Amino acid sequence: GAVVSQHPSRVICKSGTSVKIECRSLDFQATTMFWYRQFPKQSLMLMATSNEGSKATYEQGVEKDKFLINHASLTLSTLTVTSAHPEDSSFYICSARGRSSNSPLHFGNGTRLTVT
Amino acid sequence: GQSLEQPSEVTAVEGAIVQINCTYQTSGFYGLSWYQQHDGGAPTFLSYNALDGLEETGRFSSFLSRSDSYGYLLLQELQMKDSASYFCAVGNTGGFKTIFGAGTRLFVKA
Repeated sequence: GAVVSQHPSRVICKSGTSVKIECRSLDFQATTMFWYRQFPKQSLMLMATSNEGSKATYEQGVEKDKFLINHASLTLSTLTVTSAHPEDSSFYICSARGRSSNSPLHFGNGTRLTVT
Repeated sequence: GQSLEQPSEVTAVEGAIVQINCTYQTSGFYGLSWYQQHDGGAPTFLSYNALDGLEETGRFSSFLSRSDSYGYLLLQELQMKDSASYFCAVGNTGGFKTIFGAGTRLFVKA
C-alpha cells in the first residue's frame, strides 16, 4: 500500500529555534499534502493544505509565518516551525492524497515536538 | 462550516460487535472516511463511503446515509487490539480537505 514517510519522529528543541519536519510519499505522487496537529487525547486539527508547486492554504488561526510549508515536488513537503515556543509542543502529522478526490489519506508516523 | 459528532467513548467485550456513529454537517460532501489511531501512533485508513450503503472490509464495515448526514463504523468479533481511537472524517468541496471528528475511544475488555 501507499507509504508516507515522516521525519524526524521525535525532536526536542530549545525555545526560539526552528525545526523542520519532512514528509515524503514513497511510492505514489502526492499532489496534495496536509499538515495536522494533534494534542493529547484530542482530534487532528488541520493546519494547512499544501499543493505541489503553489503556496499552501492555511486554516483560520494558523500563523503562516510561524509554520512555513513548502511542497516543492510531488513527493516532498516540509513544515518548518519557526521560533518555536513551549506552546508549539505537539504531535504533528502529515498526510498525502493522490490525484483522485476520493483517494484515502495516507498518514506519516508523526513527529513529536517538544520545545523546552 | 463543518462539524462532526461522534461519541467520546465506547466500551465493549472481546468477541462482541460495536457500532460507532457519526453525524456531520458540511458545505459540500465528498465522502465519509474512518480512521483508526492507537495511542502514540499515526491514524490508519479503515474505510470510505462516497455513496449510501454499506461497505465491508473484513471485520470492519461502514455505512453512510447522505440524506441523514449520518454514518457508522461497525466492528465485529472485537479483539483486544481493536482498543484505539476511531475518527470519522469528511471531505469537503473539491474533496481535497478532510476534517476529522473528535474521535471515539474504544475500550475492549476481556
